[in-house]
Amino acid sequence: DAKTTQPTSMDCAEGRAANLPCNHSTISGNEYVYWYRQIHSQGPQYIIHGLKNNETNEMASLIITEDRKSSTLILPHATLRDTAVYYCIVRPKTDKLIFGTGTRLQVFP
Amino acid sequence: GAVVSQHPSRVICKSGTSVKIECRSLDFQATTMFWYRQFPKKSLMLMATSNEGSKATYEQGVEKDKFLINHASLTLSTLTVTSAHPEDSSFYICSALEVGVREETQYFGPGTRLLVL
Repeated sequence: DAKTTQPTSMDCAEGRAANLPCNHSTISGNEYVYWYRQIHSQGPQYIIHGLKNNETNEMASLIITEDRKSSTLILPHATLRDTAVYYCIVRPKTDKLIFGTGTRLQVFP
Repeated sequence: GAVVSQHPSRVICKSGTSVKIECRSLDFQATTMFWYRQFPKKSLMLMATSNEGSKATYEQGVEKDKFLINHASLTLSTLTVTSAHPEDSSFYICSALEVGVREETQYFGPGTRLLVL
């Protein structure tokens, strides 16, 4: 699996957009970009995934660069409940998820 | 999203006893489920892949005789920690793979916190 690089931690003001970057420069053509988050003491929650097109759902937007070497998860209006560790994972469609260390997002009032 | 449950959510046991953790996909069938372990302030570590009707595939360094996995139906996988010791105390999380028409997504359970005294 391609490896990902994420900042260790980020802060965001409540109500503002949170933009979480992820580098995956060695991504292969058949690998998807998945985003999960883990709120303290809970199981990870699926957020969104994409292959090469930008994606949007009720939780977030995923922007993937044209060369697919990096992506950004956007939470349009962050709330205190969005405080969590966010994981960016790349994998082929049918493969297992391997978690890195993620980005710890702290949303403050 | 799809719902995955785990039972129990929390268990305390004595050293040397065995503990069984159940993972259920509630609104979809899952041929494949996964078991992870997470130590405090660490990331999730994949332990094994559970396939319905066949033997589980264990990751390197995970003892298959210590962590018994059974995936007897399309909605249930169990993890049994045999002869548990204090070092097995951890947060155990399962996930189930939902296969759609075009894509596959893993959904996670809420986790089981195991404390071995």
